[in-house]
Amino acid sequence: DAGVIQSPRHEVTEMGQEVTLRCKPISGHNSLFWYRQTMMRGLELLIYFNNNVPIDDSGMPEDRFSAKMPNASFSTLKIQPSEPRDSAVYFCASSFGLAELVYNEQFFGPGTRLTVL
Amino acid sequence: DQQVKQNSPSLSVQEGRISILNCDYTNSMFDYFLWYKKYPAEGPTFLISISSIKDKNEDGRFTVFLNKSAKHLSLHIVPSQPGDSAVYFCAARPKMNRDDKIIFGKGTRLHILP
Repeated sequence: DAGVIQSPRHEVTEMGQEVTLRCKPISGHNSLFWYRQTMMRGLELLIYFNNNVPIDDSGMPEDRFSAKMPNASFSTLKIQPSEPRDSAVYFCASSFGLAELVYNEQFFGPGTRLTVL
Repeated sequence: DQQVKQNSPSLSVQEGRISILNCDYTNSMFDYFLWYKKYPAEGPTFLISISSIKDKNEDGRFTVFLNKSAKHLSLHIVPSQPGDSAVYFCAARPKMNRDDKIIFGKGTRLHILP
């Protein structure tokens, strides 16, 4: 398996533009997580899905952020309009949730480095 | 409000010596703790974990210690190797969450010196 795939790897855009980040989870995984990494706040969970349904979006910073998971193999994180303070590395992670396991390991993608000028 | 705190942004250790990375947490409802390791331009990868019913878990050169009364855990790497240079994230899972939502700290950058 190729692991979690994210695109693009790098994105540079101007303030006010719409940005769409994409994620393909590992095939067969039923949970998907979007994180943002910054120096100030470390790794923050933005939103996560289970079986394509958003479970907890309490980490989404503002209404400018939205995420969708139309099917089990694809998710998007959209920022509209983007602002310079959104500059960060955005990670997608997936896991296969089995109730009988103590913990279901999250596998991370390589991340998308977003720069908003 | 950081529920998982890694107060040392960076740490430098001589190759061959022991590296000790520390993590404090505030939520007594955490029941599972993890360490993830991250290299530049890559996503974090799972390293080692410990359940709250234990106080130690060992995997090769890596040992995690949990002190519940102090709400403190630490990761020991011995002996430290050049490939251990990376950012280490401490993470914790709230007991009420059986859906694998975990909360990460800010990370500690470990430099292994030759």
